[in-house]
Amino acid sequence: DGGITQSPKYLFRKEGQNVTLSCEQNLNHDAMYWYRQDPGQGLRLIYYSQIVNDFQKGDIAEGYSVSREKKESFPLTVTSAQKNPTAFYLCASSSVSVRVSGANVLTFGAGSRLTVL
Amino acid sequence: RKEVEQDPGPFNVPEGATVAFNCTYSNSASQSFFWYRQDCRKEPKLLMSVYSSGNEDGRFTAQLNRASQYISLLIRDSKLSDSATYLCVVNMLQAGTALIFGKGTTLSVSS
Repeated sequence: DGGITQSPKYLFRKEGQNVTLSCEQNLNHDAMYWYRQDPGQGLRLIYYSQIVNDFQKGDIAEGYSVSREKKESFPLTVTSAQKNPTAFYLCASSSVSVRVSGANVLTFGAGSRLTVL
Repeated sequence: RKEVEQDPGPFNVPEGATVAFNCTYSNSASQSFFWYRQDCRKEPKLLMSVYSSGNEDGRFTAQLNRASQYISLLIRDSKLSDSATYLCVVNMLQAGTALIFGKGTTLSVSS
């Protein structure tokens, strides 16, 4: 079955450490996204990529970095510069960018829950 | 005014009840509208897109009112399995980051 796989599901990190969250999709989607969700908050966009080898900052990109070397993969690195990294991180994809086609919907991965100790 | 606003609830209803959620959006240039469902500690999943003419999917009905800038979701004959958080999502296409998520409305259906 096609879908999005995120790993790890749970991750604990000490302050000052960088961590990388994996996101792989086999839906053949061009666009991929990273969102952050905090309790009682709406999803906020960190980075998005409309096509391979291209990515753009979202609303809260500071302290994060991404790469898009393959269509299937869009890893997110949470750096030590991110001041409050404890959150639920969601990766999503769509067949084309939602900035281009309003009818496009997002498919989400199961999420990665990061806790900074 | 926040871009997408929802009543956070919780809405506590008995099985079989009809419940309605509203969502207001601030940008009149908004193009597309959706309801997603999110179970506790899980990822959001598309419940339904919202079309100008209104649309229905089984027990769920979505309506769009562009003049008043709100969308609604009606759930009839509530089931225990409907307990979840319902996210209102608005797409403004090229404007900014396009998709704006509401904070969600929590529904709890009890027997």
